[in-house]
Amino acid sequence: QKEVEQNSGPLSVPEGAIASLNCTYSDRGSQSFFWYRQYSGKSPELIMSIYSNGDKEDGRFTAQLNKASQYVSLLIRDSQPSDSATYLCAVFRGTSYGKLTFGQGTILTVHP
Amino acid sequence: AAGVIQSPRHLIKEKRETATLKCYPIPRHDTVYWYQQGPGQDPQFLISFYEKMQSDKGSIPDRFSAQQFSDYHSELNMSSLELGDSALYFCASSWDRENQETQYFGPGTRLLVL
Repeated sequence: QKEVEQNSGPLSVPEGAIASLNCTYSDRGSQSFFWYRQYSGKSPELIMSIYSNGDKEDGRFTAQLNKASQYVSLLIRDSQPSDSATYLCAVFRGTSYGKLTFGQGTILTVHP
Repeated sequence: AAGVIQSPRHLIKEKRETATLKCYPIPRHDTVYWYQQGPGQDPQFLISFYEKMQSDKGSIPDRFSAQQFSDYHSELNMSSLELGDSALYFCASSWDRENQETQYFGPGTRLLVL
């Protein structure tokens, strides 16, 4: 079992709809959580970071974190075709470890 | 805003050759991370450096070595290249212990081993 798991894709939504991406993690000691967007052949681009339980909103993006359930999600409102990409959930366990552990990614397609 | 710089962007090598990838972190960032991403896979952590010292080590083959220099740039040296080393190699950087976990990725080096 991977340390970080994302909902299986690909996910296809119509333009203007809400896209919902989910992620679970196994290490209860994980401290910080990130969503990266990656276009094919390009580098991961930071979309959202969240550190405490609850919701965090930034424009059309909302991240939700529930540490008790070890669950983090990303909602994309008013989805646009330009949002079509692979979304990577990443977890940071602490400064003693340094690294980010990524989920396998969810491919999102927003069709006009 | 300045971003992480990686060079070269593309590299083609033969089996058993060596390769050196370079990473220049965002100015003032003191921590550098290296990740390897194979086709259709998520990025896998290789190694990281904080203040020129190795801070964490992941699934980096013994054939690979890395270091961080006094100007904070880092180099990943890869020897005895194998076909399976073909991948995208990303460098990321971060700064400030309180916010160290926010890692910003460079554009990557695409390595093809023939």
